Amino acid sequence: GAGVSQSPSNKVTEKGKDVELRCDPISGHTALYWYRQSLGQGLEFLIYFQGNSAPDKSGLPSDRFSAERTGGSVSTLTIQRTQQEDSAVYLCASSPGQGGYGYTFGSGTRLTVV
Amino acid sequence: GQQVMQIPQYQHVQEGEDFTTYCNSSTTLSNIQWYKQRPGGHPVFLIQLVKSGEVKKQKRLTFQFGEAKKNSSLHITATQTTDVGTYFCAEPAMDSNYQLIWGAGTKLIIKP
Repeated sequence: GAGVSQSPSNKVTEKGKDVELRCDPISGHTALYWYRQSLGQGLEFLIYFQGNSAPDKSGLPSDRFSAERTGGSVSTLTIQRTQQEDSAVYLCASSPGQGGYGYTFGSGTRLTVV
Repeated sequence: GQQVMQIPQYQHVQEGEDFTTYCNSSTTLSNIQWYKQRPGGHPVFLIQLVKSGEVKKQKRLTFQFGEAKKNSSLHITATQTTDVGTYFCAEPAMDSNYQLIWGAGTKLIIKP
């Protein structure tokens, strides 16, 4: 696609429910990144994919968080048993995968856990 | 571990005044990138600097890369309301070809 597409754009969920966030990167971009941004804060790294593999999962806050990427394209970030502290904007970005390229971000998913 | 320090955290200016944000790295960099995030928006890539001492301009924005390739700055001349947002620098992670280490961002606020 022309840009990075994320869905849904907004999600309100009840505490304890599971949620899935989707990211569709730019076609041909091999690297895909997930970040979390709380209101007025910086970018918190969660995980990145090179192709379908995730060399670095160190940013995932807990074992309630998981992510996968299939076909070197679409990625899904799953949060199980959501907690109120999970409320944030979840941003996905992609890049051509080699060093020295800028990231293209999607518009994000605003997650609110009530 | 590798860190990038970005200052200031906030800068309040009158419209028409200048704005500058600075980034300092703990390591010598191959490149540094700058992004802008408008309020309610997502980060947007502005530019990448690669060469020692490099200076690049985009209209009223001037980006500099230090001679030692350990620091960088973004200067905006005569700020306008369209400049409002948070400006982030980002540097390549030393232990990965694919990851960036992000500064905390500088928020540009224009006084009413």
